[in-house]
Amino acid sequence: QSALTQPRSVSGSPGQSVTISCTGTSTDIGGYNYVSWYQHHPGKAPKLIIYDVTKRPSGVPDRFSGSKSENTASLSISGLRDEDDADYYCCSYAGVYVPFVIFGGGTKLTVL
Amino acid sequence: EVQLLESGGGLVQAGGSLRLSCATSGFTFSDYWMSWVRQTPGKGLEWVANIKQDGSERNYVDSVRGRSTISRDNAKNSLFLHINSLRVEDTAMYYCATESPLSPRALDFWGQGTMVTVSS
Repeated sequence: QSALTQPRSVSGSPGQSVTISCTGTSTDIGGYNYVSWYQHHPGKAPKLIIYDVTKRPSGVPDRFSGSKSENTASLSISGLRDEDDADYYCCSYAGVYVPFVIFGGGTKLTVL
Repeated sequence: EVQLLESGGGLVQAGGSLRLSCATSGFTFSDYWMSWVRQTPGKGLEWVANIKQDGSERNYVDSVRGRSTISRDNAKNSLFLHINSLRVEDTAMYYCATESPLSPRALDFWGQGTMVTVSS
């Protein structure tokens, strides 16, 4: 299975909103409502920010939201803050056989 | 506070082996499936292996199956990954992570990673 497709980079100014897309296929994103998103500041532990397409773990601000349409998932971040400057990875459940999950190539969000 | 701390990475020649460790605290380790995920330089993330709470089920990505062993010690709250016959393409940052009980295979807590560099 191929990696999910994300834009390599996006940018926005503080206070603005950005959306990161993640495109897969009918056997991953399109087949299940189990898309997750991870925020990664280099040198630190990746952090789960969205699971099951739209759900936020405890402590994740509601500025982060997720959605899905057919084979494409999206992460939206509103009210950009400097600390949002990071890499973002999407991930989809891909079934009961290994590798179970497929990640995207990652998107670098730059807060200008 | 949940903490995961990987160790055991380093520089190794192709054909060699390494044992990665992940020490955990702040949660009931024996309640969780655990995974290893790697990030190759300049590329994205790749799930590598996982292990059930009691160690009775282990799964591997095709590229490491047959030359890797994932294991755990619930008494010591620790996870391990032994990789033999290392290849240049195994060069990556290796992360351990907990699998969320809320969503299939979502990874809710991660460590900071340990770097493995395989030289030719």
